Amino acid sequence: AQSVTQLDSQVPVFEEAPVELRCNYSSSVSVYLFWYVQYPNQGLQLLLKYLSGSTLVKGINGFEAEFNKSQTSFHLRKPSVHISDTAGYFCAVGLSGNTGKLIFGQGTTLQVKP
Amino acid sequence: EAQVTQNPRYLITVTGKKLTVTCSQNMNHEYMSWYRQDPGLGLRQIYYSMNVEVTDKGDVPEGYKVSRKEKRNFPLILESPSPNQTSLYFCASSPDRGYNSPLHFGNGTRLTVT
Repeated sequence: AQSVTQLDSQVPVFEEAPVELRCNYSSSVSVYLFWYVQYPNQGLQLLLKYLSGSTLVKGINGFEAEFNKSQTSFHLRKPSVHISDTAGYFCAVGLSGNTGKLIFGQGTTLQVKP
Repeated sequence: EAQVTQNPRYLITVTGKKLTVTCSQNMNHEYMSWYRQDPGLGLRQIYYSMNVEVTDKGDVPEGYKVSRKEKRNFPLILESPSPNQTSLYFCASSPDRGYNSPLHFGNGTRLTVT
């Protein structure tokens, strides 16, 4: 069965430090990959997505992610975080041949400290 | 402003008392979906709808009903709520079910069933 694993439930980091949020998936078919962000008391919004092409994907707010097919990973990175990046981050996988269905990871809470 | 509106934002009820959570979108989206968010489990799909009068089960449909009589509305109905349905619920919509179109989420409904 397909699954998505976010290895860290919480990631504390100081402001202006770099951060990496990890995401691994398991699937026997081709996948599409997404990162969504959830600010406090809000719904999720799309941060970035990988559908095809370049494996390095840039999103909003300075975030980027790299699709690594051999390691079945799609880690999210930002070189310098801000207090305003404090939020929940969800990795999601869409399966080819099953258009539209997303499988979400457990989520990682990024806590940016001053 | 393009948005997905859920009501109420917070709801406390007792076991067995029927309730409805409303969801409305003003973007003329074809696809709508309900998710529940639980700690450590991420988001799980309850039901989705491809268009008016077309609904289908997601991963955790037990104990829930939906209807899609109009394109803009997609209410979630709990006929006899139980404590295990205490959760944070999100409605989402998209122009279609394809992966090119991101999901637009509402701000969530926090339901407590005692």
